[in-house]
Amino acid sequence: KNQVEQSPQSLIILEGKNCTLQCNYTVSPFSNLRWYKQDTGRGPVSLTIMTFSENTKSNGRYTATLDADTKQSSLHITASQLSDSASYICVVPYSSASKIIFGSGTRLSIRP
Amino acid sequence: DVKVTQSSRYLVKRTGEKVFLECVQDMDHENMFWYRQDPGLGLRLIYFSYDVKMKEKGDIPEGYSVSREKKERFSLILESASTNQTSMYLCASHALGGYNSPLHFGNGTRLTVT
Repeated sequence: KNQVEQSPQSLIILEGKNCTLQCNYTVSPFSNLRWYKQDTGRGPVSLTIMTFSENTKSNGRYTATLDADTKQSSLHITASQLSDSASYICVVPYSSASKIIFGSGTRLSIRP
Repeated sequence: DVKVTQSSRYLVKRTGEKVFLECVQDMDHENMFWYRQDPGLGLRLIYFSYDVKMKEKGDIPEGYSVSREKKERFSLILESASTNQTSMYLCASHALGGYNSPLHFGNGTRLTVT
């Protein structure tokens, strides 16, 4: 069964600290994995995409990794800021444009 | 920048009412989607449209219908609203061949059915 699972469900850290969010997927065939950030009261916005051949990609303080062998991805946030408080959603498409599987998200709260 | 606009941020409707949720995108995208988002369940696809007047059922189409008369506009219709349709509704779009292109979301409509 095609699935995307994220952990932890929620996370609270102090401002300035680092954190890592996890995403495990069992989607076949695999093409790419995308991380979205969803601020409260907003729609999700794409942060980064990881394709099959990529291991690591950085976007400012966000670094995504992909291990296609173990079917795992992580999103590492460095030197967290209050504005990083949001839900982070891992998304994997398969087979056609309408077939997109969403993880249930990690709700991250940054405390001052 | 792609803009996806949902007509209402908040709606409160009574059980049995017919409800229309409107979504407009300004980037000439072929593909448009309606999702609902509930705590702990993630986003679930209600309907998908890949062209004007074309639609496909998603994972949870029961109790919903859609209309796409113009490329930029995709409407979600709740024929007879029920309390279990209280949820956040998100519209999204992406370009044809959207495997590697991101979904662009509206800011959502929070619907409460009483």
